[in-house]
Amino acid sequence: EVQLVESGGGLVQPGGSLRLSCAASGFTFSSYSMNWVRQAPGKGLEWVSYISSSSSTIYNADSVKGRFTISRDNAKNSLYLQMNSLRDEDTAVYYCARSGGYYDSSGYSPLDNWGQGTLVTVSS
Amino acid sequence: QSVLTQPPSASETPGQRVTISCSGSSSNIGSNTVNWYQQLPGTAPKLLIYSNNQRPSGVPDRFSGSKSGTSASLAISGLQSEDEADFYCAAWDDGLNGWVFGGGTKLTVL
Repeated sequence: EVQLVESGGGLVQPGGSLRLSCAASGFTFSSYSMNWVRQAPGKGLEWVSYISSSSSTIYNADSVKGRFTISRDNAKNSLYLQMNSLRDEDTAVYYCARSGGYYDSSGYSPLDNWGQGTLVTVSS
Repeated sequence: QSVLTQPPSASETPGQRVTISCSGSSSNIGSNTVNWYQQLPGTAPKLLIYSNNQRPSGVPDRFSGSKSGTSASLAISGLQSEDEADFYCAAWDDGLNGWVFGGGTKLTVL
């Protein structure tokens, strides 16, 4: 069974930093691309970052460029999100999500498994 | 403001059929396939439909998807009370180099 477990969320002041982790199990982590998606309280889903299986390709949403860094350690079956210069509007539940489980003709495999999320609150 | 446009709400009675629309542009839905996610209250999103009209194993065939041009839709037939959830469409955007989502549609089963 695929399991994704996020951790590292919490309360942080504006301008501060936080590092999220996502522990993966139940599949060959090194074979799949991974993503971070966030959801502000009472709002919709917003994709944050993508990293390919070998870390050779990384994409970030414009809203986090230059502030957030996605990375992974395939030896530890773990995904990370380093968040710097945090703002009030970064307050959200952050989900890690796997992609690559289904073939897609356009080449962009859907986010097929999601963790339960970790809450990040940015407030003074 | 979400890149993909969905109606904020939809409602229908049990046993009936409801459709949820999703409108995009040439850089996302017009170029790539559409996925749909269901988010039950207090839970993480779950993949419901991928590649416009494919169902992951375990998803009932009451759920179906379609795409035409720069729009897509999700249809749910034989509505059940447990279908009450938020539904999101998503597609890769070639211009933004990332996933874009609709704002979500809250489905109420009356």
